[in-house]
Amino acid sequence: KNEVEQSPQNLTAQEGEFITINCSYSVGISALHWLQQHPGGGIVSLFMLSSGKKKHGRLIATINIQEKHSSLHITASHPRDSAVYICAALGGNQFYFGTGTSLTVIP
Amino acid sequence: NAGVTQTPKFRVLKTGQSMTLLCAQDMNHEYMYWYRQDPGMGLRLIHYSVGEGTTAKGEVPDGYNVSRLKKQNFLLGLESAAPSQTSVYFCASSYGQADTQYFGPGTRLTVL
Repeated sequence: KNEVEQSPQNLTAQEGEFITINCSYSVGISALHWLQQHPGGGIVSLFMLSSGKKKHGRLIATINIQEKHSSLHITASHPRDSAVYICAALGGNQFYFGTGTSLTVIP
Repeated sequence: NAGVTQTPKFRVLKTGQSMTLLCAQDMNHEYMYWYRQDPGMGLRLIHYSVGEGTTAKGEVPDGYNVSRLKKQNFLLGLESAAPSQTSVYFCASSYGQADTQYFGPGTRLTVL
């Protein structure tokens, strides 16, 4: 069993739609990381959060420590948002990574 | 700033050969990490370092060795490559353990 589970695994959306990607974890954590992996393979950090909510442009990340759950929202989605989104939970001394959600936004 | 760089970008090895992957960062970060990424699996931590001269094992350390002789460099070595080590390797660095990690562009390694 993976310590971090993401859903959905694959997601296709029309441009402009509101998108939600979910991340549930089973370990006790001190922080959770959302990453974006571009089709070319590069990985970029989107958010690191340990409580509440963070917003950056059209991206919003929330975390509920009691429920061991985090969500990544994308408002007004755009084809350039097409990527794999990965959540990683920091438990103890290491990160536990989900297998990613592959998002395709169609024009 | 170059951020995090990795060399080489691609490499093909034969079983039993050795090689070293180099990760360099110019952000004065204390923490550095080596991950591998395989199809259908998430990133998995191989080894990490919390500062110059220190290293620690991650989730999948077998078959790899690391060194952090200088703060800005983190080397990953394969002493005797095996086909199971075919993967994409990512290096990352961060200021602190719970801080944003910055990733290198990756090294695609194929072991025949």
